[in-house]
Amino acid sequence: SQTIHQWPATLVQPVGSPLSLECTVEGTSNPNLYWYRQAAGRGLQLLFYSVGIGQISSEVPQNLSASRPQDRQFILSSKKLLLSDSGFYLCAWSRDRGWGNYGYTFGSGTRLTVV
Amino acid sequence: AQTVTQSQPEMSVQEAETVTLSCTYDTSESDYYLFWYKQPPSRQMILVIRQEAYKQQNATENRFSVNFQKAAKSFSLKISDSQLGDAAMYFCAYRSAGGTYKYIFGTGTRLKVLA
Repeated sequence: SQTIHQWPATLVQPVGSPLSLECTVEGTSNPNLYWYRQAAGRGLQLLFYSVGIGQISSEVPQNLSASRPQDRQFILSSKKLLLSDSGFYLCAWSRDRGWGNYGYTFGSGTRLTVV
Repeated sequence: AQTVTQSQPEMSVQEAETVTLSCTYDTSESDYYLFWYKQPPSRQMILVIRQEAYKQQNATENRFSVNFQKAAKSFSLKISDSQLGDAAMYFCAYRSAGGTYKYIFGTGTRLKVLA
């Protein structure tokens, strides 16, 4: 069966510090991968998605970047965190074209607090 | 661009009763998928139910069912025999049948279940 791992679960970082959140998927190949952010009291905002190794699409101009160094690994990074980067970050995967009706499978999320 | 609207920020239901959560969307596409996700206090996003737009029959999963009105662009979730474990944030989501597999989420409805 497929599983998705996301870490760390919580993170408190000072303003200006770097960030690295990691997400890995097991039990499938060539997944579509996504990073979402959920601000307090708001819905989910798509940050990045990837349909293959090295293929990253950005949805929102911001202080963050994403990379996919391996087929089942997706990394969210920042060189210098801002207070506005605080939030709940969710990684998700889905099957590729033709399987759209199966929906996303989400990781357990990372709560990031920038102080 | 597609949009998803959940006009009820919060709903309450008595245990064992039935509650309906509303969702409307806007799209010019004819083929797409709709989903309801549940986010309990643990923050883990869980797929509740999905609907293919080309299917007229409403989807059902145990106590969860949808009322899909394609012409009205409405996709409501009905929870029957509500249980305490149903208390959560519920998100409605839209996904195009083609394209880049991005999901558009509503802002969510917080469901409280009263004992």
